[in-house]
Amino acid sequence: QKEVEQNSGPLSVPEGAIASLNCTYSDRGSQSFFWYRQYSGKSPELIMFIYSNGDKEDGRFTAQLNKASQYVSLLIRDSQPSDSATYLCAVNPSGAGSYQLTFGKGTKLSVIP
Amino acid sequence: SQTIHQWPATLVQPVGSPLSLECTVEGTSNPNLYWYRQAAGRGLQLLFYSVGIGQISSEVPQNLSASRPQDRQFILSSKKLLLSDSGFYLCAWSEPGGRYGYTFGSGTRLTVV
Repeated sequence: QKEVEQNSGPLSVPEGAIASLNCTYSDRGSQSFFWYRQYSGKSPELIMFIYSNGDKEDGRFTAQLNKASQYVSLLIRDSQPSDSATYLCAVNPSGAGSYQLTFGKGTKLSVIP
Repeated sequence: SQTIHQWPATLVQPVGSPLSLECTVEGTSNPNLYWYRQAAGRGLQLLFYSVGIGQISSEVPQNLSASRPQDRQFILSSKKLLLSDSGFYLCAWSEPGGRYGYTFGSGTRLTVV
């Protein structure tokens, strides 16, 4: 069974610090990787996607992918209280039905003012 | 640009009553459509997905059903709700390959009493 694992948290960081969110996946052939942010009571919102090994930066967010280690992470620089949310990692598996994302259960981030 | 509409936002229904949740997508054609449920404090559970009109795949056995009467319309139904059907229901769409991830609707908070 294809799985995506995340630490459920909560992860608490002080305002202005770097928050590091981690995700591992079981399907070695996975092609696409996504990070969603979900505020309490709201729907998930796509914030980053990455396809290739290495880093991808977008503003304060950096996604990092290491396919050899089957590991993807999200770094949030200069964390703000408004970043407090649950972050979901999602992966496109390989093979038939590869359009179906597999979601992790999410890591709850709390940024302390 | 593409938009996804989901309604109603909240719903309180008695046990044994029927259910109909509707989702429509604008600005794209032949999208993949998905229904997810998120129980309180839990991860996303894929309920149904559709790759075309009249094509519905079910991921979990339950008293829910889905239909896709038009290309950009996806409906979630039940003939008789159970207490365990309470949760946050999310509709999502993706382009056929799923390469760019999913876009979620705003969700319906269903409470069965």
